[in-house]
Amino acid sequence: GEDVEQSLFLSVREGDSSVINCTYTDSSSTYLYWYKQEPGAGLQLLTYIFSNMDMKQDQRLTVLLNKKDKHLSLRIADTQTGDSAIYFCAVSANQAGTALIFGKGTTLSVSS
Amino acid sequence: EAGVTQFPSHSVIEKGQTVTLRCDPISGHDNLYWYRRVMGKEIKFLLHFVKESKQDESGMPNNRFLAERTGGTYSTLKVQPAELEDSGVYFCASSQSPGGVAFFGQGTRLTVV
Repeated sequence: GEDVEQSLFLSVREGDSSVINCTYTDSSSTYLYWYKQEPGAGLQLLTYIFSNMDMKQDQRLTVLLNKKDKHLSLRIADTQTGDSAIYFCAVSANQAGTALIFGKGTTLSVSS
Repeated sequence: EAGVTQFPSHSVIEKGQTVTLRCDPISGHDNLYWYRRVMGKEIKFLLHFVKESKQDESGMPNNRFLAERTGGTYSTLKVQPAELEDSGVYFCASSQSPGGVAFFGQGTRLTVV
């Protein structure tokens, strides 16, 4: 079955760029997602990318998709302390895209 | 526009008791999903409703879990009887179309003691 892997921890200094990586084994997703979970909060849709795109930029966020290598990354420019959270990569488990498979989440810690 | 809303935010129950979680999807979203994250593991898919019909319940762990969506609006997830391993965070999500962008609620943290 589908498997999604992420590194568990990333620590950066305020103002630096953060890059969170995700690899998946197989996906027919129309969309691939990044969700953010702040302490004590729910899952917030951060951004997503269409599977036929290589890159999507949204303010400080850049998503890169390499379908050949099955690799998805999220870059956060000028990382702030408020960006400290758990970031989940999610891809579809089925053709219909109606069941998502999540990675274990990357805990981003930003120090000032 | 209101997002996906879940009730309660926290629930602590004793083993063997029954708990019912509720999810109100975004208005107009026919597709509703339940997920859960137990013991710090991955977030796992439980099931998918299209309106009031169960489209995919392949992730439901066992018959102690019953999900309903009468009328195709809000959904409930009942756990009866609850076991210790059911502790975790239960998330609900909704999307306008099947496979469309899914928006999640804040989750219900269930603790079974």
